[in-house]
Amino acid sequence: GQQLNQSPQSMFIQEGEDVSMNCTSSSIFNTWLWYKQDPGEGPVLLIALYKAGELTSNGRLTAQFGITRKDSFLNISASIPSDVGIYFCAGQSRGTYKYIFGTGTRLKVLA
Amino acid sequence: SQTIHQWPATLVQPVGSPLSLECTVEGTSNPNLYWYRQAAGRGLQLLFYSVGIGQISSEVPQNLSASRPQDRQFILSSKKLLLSDSGFYLCAWSVVFNQPQHFGDGTRLSIL
Repeated sequence: GQQLNQSPQSMFIQEGEDVSMNCTSSSIFNTWLWYKQDPGEGPVLLIALYKAGELTSNGRLTAQFGITRKDSFLNISASIPSDVGIYFCAGQSRGTYKYIFGTGTRLKVLA
Repeated sequence: SQTIHQWPATLVQPVGSPLSLECTVEGTSNPNLYWYRQAAGRGLQLLFYSVGIGQISSEVPQNLSASRPQDRQFILSSKKLLLSDSGFYLCAWSVVFNQPQHFGDGTRLSIL
């Protein structure tokens, strides 16, 4: 079945640093989504990507849809304490109803 | 704007007891609805999805069932809970399948 590898699993960073995380798939996706989940809450959609090569920003967040359509990355610039949480990627293949979710990147910010 | 509500937020149930978790969506009509389970430190596992009233598709065989009695209401049930049913249950909706899903705040279910 489809697999989605998300890395790193967790990371500590200093406040103000830039962060980069990525997801890679064993198959081609037509849509990539990035979510953030705070403790005890549901995931919140950050960015949606629909075309290979697409680069989309949402404030300090920037995500890209890889050219091969098998990967995506998320960058956070100038991290702040409220960036703490778990970031999930999700991908969907054409003609399917299902999103495959990564296992998440846990971000911890040191003030 | 659209909103999604789940309740209860937390639930502690004994093994063998029944379960009913409810999810409602406001501000949209005929949404696609989904139930996920999230194990600690893991990604999201799709349990059920629904494209309309009374239409339920199950992803994995398990001790749970789902129902959609109204357009914007999705219910997750069990007749007899198992210890392995513990977890964080999330409801989500989307306009259509190839649009992003939006999640509720989840229910933390603990089985004793």
